[in-house]
Amino acid sequence: GNSVTQMEGPVTLSEEAFLTINCTYTATGYPSLFWYVQYPGEGLQLLLKATKADDKGSNKGFEATYRKETTSFHLEKGSVQVSDSAVYFCALSRMDTGRRALTFGSGTRLQVQP
Amino acid sequence: DTAVSQTPKYLVTQMGNDKSIKCEQNLGHDTMYWYKQDSKKFLKIMFSYNNKELIINETVPNRFSPKSPDKAHLNLHINSLELGDSAVYFCASSQGAMSNQPQHFGDGTRLSIL
Repeated sequence: GNSVTQMEGPVTLSEEAFLTINCTYTATGYPSLFWYVQYPGEGLQLLLKATKADDKGSNKGFEATYRKETTSFHLEKGSVQVSDSAVYFCALSRMDTGRRALTFGSGTRLQVQP
Repeated sequence: DTAVSQTPKYLVTQMGNDKSIKCEQNLGHDTMYWYKQDSKKFLKIMFSYNNKELIINETVPNRFSPKSPDKAHLNLHINSLELGDSAVYFCASSQGAMSNQPQHFGDGTRLSIL
């Protein structure tokens, strides 16, 4: 079956530090890959996505590249801000016999200190 | 305008009671979902409806019954609530059959069983 593995958190960084959150997946075929962000007390918001190998998704300074050879979709940002503190979820989606739900990783909490 | 709205935001009730959570989306999407997020932030699909038809029904106790009166609404009714039902329940919606379309989430309903 499909699965997503994320690095455990929390990840604690100082403002302006470089961020990497690792994500690897297991799926047959060609899934679409997503990063969602959940701010405290809110629902999930789509951060970025990539739908085929070597695609790079980017948004708000965050980037992730779909690497089929390593089955990875690591999230990066060059300079984090306090406002980036949230829980980040890696997810994949596959169209299996009409079933199209997201499979999520366990989430990684990011804490950015001033 | 809120794209995916859930009510209530908080629900505190006693074991054994029956309760409902409502979800509405104004995005014109044809597919809606219910996810459960446990205390460790892990998210798992429960149900999915496409054009009012149930297409995903995960291993969920039959005390949980989704109902979709139309494409814009997906409600969740829970009978005989148990302590283990305490969680945050998220509604989401998406458009189309392709797995590369992102899902849009509501802000969640935090259910607490006393």
